[in-house]
Amino acid sequence: NAGVTQTPKFRILKIGQSMTLQCTQDMNHNYMYWYRQDPGMGLKLIYYSVGAGITDKGEVPNGYNVSRSTTEDFPLRLELAAPSQTSVYFCASSYGQPNNSPLHFGNGTRLTVT
Amino acid sequence: DAKTTQPPSMDCAEGRAANLPCNHSTISGNEYVYWYRQIHSQGPQYIIHGLKNNETNEMASLIITEDRKSSTLILPHATLRDTAVYYCIVRVPMDSNYQLIWGAGTKLIIKP
Repeated sequence: NAGVTQTPKFRILKIGQSMTLQCTQDMNHNYMYWYRQDPGMGLKLIYYSVGAGITDKGEVPNGYNVSRSTTEDFPLRLELAAPSQTSVYFCASSYGQPNNSPLHFGNGTRLTVT
Repeated sequence: DAKTTQPPSMDCAEGRAANLPCNHSTISGNEYVYWYRQIHSQGPQYIIHGLKNNETNEMASLIITEDRKSSTLILPHATLRDTAVYYCIVRVPMDSNYQLIWGAGTKLIIKP
């Protein structure tokens, strides 16, 4: 199994550009998450999904959008990139709620907005 | 805000046991304590979790105090590859679900 796969690994955006960070998992997990991690800090939850067609905001959703049309895929969209969105983005999945099921993480997308 | 408190950094000699403390004094009776680690900016890796009993797996042991207000993660024979940031996490309610809130963790450095 590949687990959780994120693409791209690195990206540089200009202010105001848009992009989609891709995330796919092959474990048939119901729950999927997007986190961002700034240098020296813990992870902050951006959005999460408890199943196909259902998404909810996390701690820091402003400037981002998500969709969950299939169980496997959970893309994260940045519409108008800003320097404050420079960060490392991690996608994760779990079988059940995060308190009851371990999270499986991808290897991250390092995004720089200049 | 994180519901756990961890020291920002610790050292441990290679081959010795690494004991990482965590305070979670506001934990509720049905909340699990989770431990993850993050090696060199990779995605975090699940280590172990527990509710009230001590737990052990192939990676580590988790000791939870009787009042559940603190816990200790034990890596029995630390190797250089165990150098990482270790996160102790409990859940918080978010909308109709629960989420894990991550603090800054403990940076563990294993020294030869």
